[in-house]
Amino acid sequence: RKEVEQDPGPFNVPEGATVAFNCTYSNSASQSFFWYRQDCRKEPKLLMSVYSSGNEDGRFTAQLNRASQYISLLIRDSKLSDSATYLCVVKLMSGGSNYKLTFGKGTLLTVNP
Amino acid sequence: DAGVTQSPTHLIKTRGQQVTLRCSPKSGHDTVSWYQQALGQGPQFIFQYYEEEERQRGNFPDRFSGHQFPNYSSELNVNALLLGDSALYLCASSFGAAGVRAFFGQGTRLTVV
Repeated sequence: RKEVEQDPGPFNVPEGATVAFNCTYSNSASQSFFWYRQDCRKEPKLLMSVYSSGNEDGRFTAQLNRASQYISLLIRDSKLSDSATYLCVVKLMSGGSNYKLTFGKGTLLTVNP
Repeated sequence: DAGVTQSPTHLIKTRGQQVTLRCSPKSGHDTVSWYQQALGQGPQFIFQYYEEEERQRGNFPDRFSGHQFPNYSSELNVNALLLGDSALYLCASSFGAAGVRAFFGQGTRLTVV
């Protein structure tokens, strides 16, 4: 089983649509969770952290379910500028102070006019 | 405030050659991690440097080695290049080995022919 698995996509949606991304992780010891956005041929950029209580940033809502090891991202009223690859990322601490980020494969979103 | 900078941006090498990639972390950051991103995949963790030591390593062969300098900048070296080493190599920096947020450089696109 892969450490982080995402919907394979790609997703093609019209402007204004609501789109949901799903992700599962295998290591229950994982401590922190994120969604990153990566534009074509660019570096990943942090979109938002994900908390069990759920968190919202404008049109973006992220949710974490630790019991089922499931992470989600919801984009409402999608814009053309939301077109990108969305990466689910899990942070695992080790050795007391070291960490590594494990990325999912990413899901490509294209928002069409 | 300069972010994470990587050099070179693009590189073409021949199979069997050796390559060195460079990374300068964001100002104030002391931890550097390296990732390999093959086409269509999420970034894969190579290793992490903190206090000039390799603190953690992903599932990469010994052909991949690195170094961190006293000014926190870092190098990634790959020996005996294979065609499969062609990828985008990303450097991420953070403050402290348990850094809350990692910032990525724009990456070095390596092509092995």
